[in-house]
Amino acid sequence: AQSVTQLDSQVPVFEEAPVELRCNYSSSVSVYLFWYVQYPNQGLQLLLKYLSGSTLVESINGFEAEFNKSQTSFHLRKPSVHISDTAEYFCAVTQTGGSNYKLTFGKGTLLTVNP
Amino acid sequence: KAGVTQTPRYLIKTRGQQVTLSCSPISGHRSVSWYQQTPGQGLQFLFEYFSETQRNKGNFPGRFSGRQFSNSRSEMNVSTLELGDSALYLCASTRTGDTQYFGPGTRLTVL
Repeated sequence: AQSVTQLDSQVPVFEEAPVELRCNYSSSVSVYLFWYVQYPNQGLQLLLKYLSGSTLVESINGFEAEFNKSQTSFHLRKPSVHISDTAEYFCAVTQTGGSNYKLTFGKGTLLTVNP
Repeated sequence: KAGVTQTPRYLIKTRGQQVTLSCSPISGHRSVSWYQQTPGQGLQFLFEYFSETQRNKGNFPGRFSGRQFSNSRSEMNVSTLELGDSALYLCASTRTGDTQYFGPGTRLTVL
């Protein structure tokens, strides 16, 4: 079984400031890791994922996350946020291989970017 | 490619009724999963279908059921609706299991 903890339920920041959204996970098996973003009244959009290889993964809109196996973390960072980044962000894991495609999510972090 | 589509987008029902939600996966994706999202419980896995068979099931009562058709489209049904079933129901599809893509969701309100 897996579990995901997002350490901050809300993160308010000013525009152009850096931000870090923290995510820790627990699992007895190898996992893939994901960050999804949800804008109001919408579904989940995949932001970035770690499957294998380089532990630093990047998205097309400037976010990055680093997989740290020893600390079982997958924190999300952006050096300079925009108003349009205001949304809820979910960290998720699923086990590698096999036929269990279930995603386990954290409770979410609401990022609010203020002018 | 078209994304995951869900219909209807919004539903209002009363307690005791039943409801059916529909999900069309991305073309070529044979796995469809359903999730319930509520403010209190967050995102919870309901079940997953692959090639018309339920492979995995979350911890929900038997009132929640689903099925998948030969074209991979999936439906979920909730019978005897309760107020606590009010939620956003999300469908996701995947081809290989390593990345799931979500639809816009169906917002169910039970009065």
